[in-house]
Amino acid sequence: EAGVAQSPRYKIIEKRQSVAFWCNPISGHATLYWYQQILGQGPKLLIQFQNNGVVDDSQLPKDRFSAERLKGVDSTLKIQPAKLEDSAVYLCASSLGIAGTDTQYFGPGTRLTVL
Amino acid sequence: AQSVTQLDSQVPVFEEAPVELRCNYSSSVSVYLFWYVQYPNQGLQLLLKYLSGSTLVKGINGFEAEFNKSQTSFHLRKPSVHISDTAEYFCAVSDDYKLSFGAGTTVTVRA
Repeated sequence: EAGVAQSPRYKIIEKRQSVAFWCNPISGHATLYWYQQILGQGPKLLIQFQNNGVVDDSQLPKDRFSAERLKGVDSTLKIQPAKLEDSAVYLCASSLGIAGTDTQYFGPGTRLTVL
Repeated sequence: AQSVTQLDSQVPVFEEAPVELRCNYSSSVSVYLFWYVQYPNQGLQLLLKYLSGSTLVKGINGFEAEFNKSQTSFHLRKPSVHISDTAEYFCAVSDDYKLSFGAGTTVTVRA
């Protein structure tokens, strides 16, 4: 079974530029998550989708971050414009359902450096 | 909102020695508890989880954890570590649908 795929793996940009990350979840998984992991901290949930609807985006900085999940499968996360404090690893995860008991499966992450 | 405290940020340990990683959570309702491991330049991988039932949970790679409701703790243990256990370990708590992570514990195993 293929795992969660993410691209690119690494990205370096200047502040005020824009950037996009892509995620392909495990086939059949209804729920998709985007997390931000700053160095030395645990992952922080940015947004959670169930199929193509948003379940929780309370911690997404909506003035600069946006995300979509077209057709309930792949997802993209965009930052525009980027700030220095956006430097982090962006993790995508997926799970079969939405219950708190469901295991989340994580992709390898995209490491973003903003200069 | 749930919160998780991992009491040790770094744990150095010698190969074949035991290790314990401490985790406390705050909650007033039923929760589900998880331990994830993150190897360098990789995503997180589930080690084990507690949903209900027996308070001693066994996971992959010889790890186990014990749920203690009265102390709101979920400590992770391994009786004998290997070099390959060098990684970052995250404790997480879930309520109805949202997973909240601790800051992580870096385990460095030395020969």
